[in-house]
Amino acid sequence: AQTVTQSQPEMSVQEAETVTLSCTYDTSESNYYLFWYKQPPSRQMILVIRQEAYKQQNATENRFSVNFQKAAKSFSLKISDSQLGDTAMYFCAFSTTDSWGKLQFGAGTQVVVTP
Amino acid sequence: DGGITQSPKYLFRKEGQNVTLSCEQNLNHDAMYWYRQDPGQGLRLIYYSQIVNDFQKGDIAEGYSVSREKKESFPLTVTSAQKNPTAFYLCASSSAAVAKNIQYFGAGTRLSVL
Repeated sequence: AQTVTQSQPEMSVQEAETVTLSCTYDTSESNYYLFWYKQPPSRQMILVIRQEAYKQQNATENRFSVNFQKAAKSFSLKISDSQLGDTAMYFCAFSTTDSWGKLQFGAGTQVVVTP
Repeated sequence: DGGITQSPKYLFRKEGQNVTLSCEQNLNHDAMYWYRQDPGQGLRLIYYSQIVNDFQKGDIAEGYSVSREKKESFPLTVTSAQKNPTAFYLCASSSAAVAKNIQYFGAGTRLSVL
């Protein structure tokens, strides 16, 4: 079974600064998908970024980028130029390629952006 | 607008009562999922369905039941056997033809026990 660990329950960052969220996972699969989802106070889950394990290039979406270290089974999320609207719970998630998208989630990291 | 609609937004259950949470999608997605979210924990999979009239148990299926009679609908029933039903419930869907493994979520239903 796969497990996903987020070791930072909460992080605080000032506007315009950068924050990095950590995520580690455990799997014996060679190919899989990794995700970061954002859950703002509205509680709507929003996909932030997706990484395919066989792609060595780190995914980037505007101010969000990942550092994917396959050998270390690490998948961190960097939020650059933080904005007040980035305040949310961030979840790391894992999916195998043959599981019809069943997601295994970490416990989440609460990010608070302060003025 | 395409999306996933969950209703009601808030639901209250009396002791010994079964309640049903609705999930409808108009994205033409094949797969649908139900997750439970408790404070301090990530989402946990209750049930999922890849095709009409077929569904599989997830990690925490006990005390829940589902049906998939139509592609666009995947209702979740919280039965009286679920002794701790208070949680936030999220429905999701995905399409293997479009972007496999990317799930899109509804706005959720908050279930509380009276």
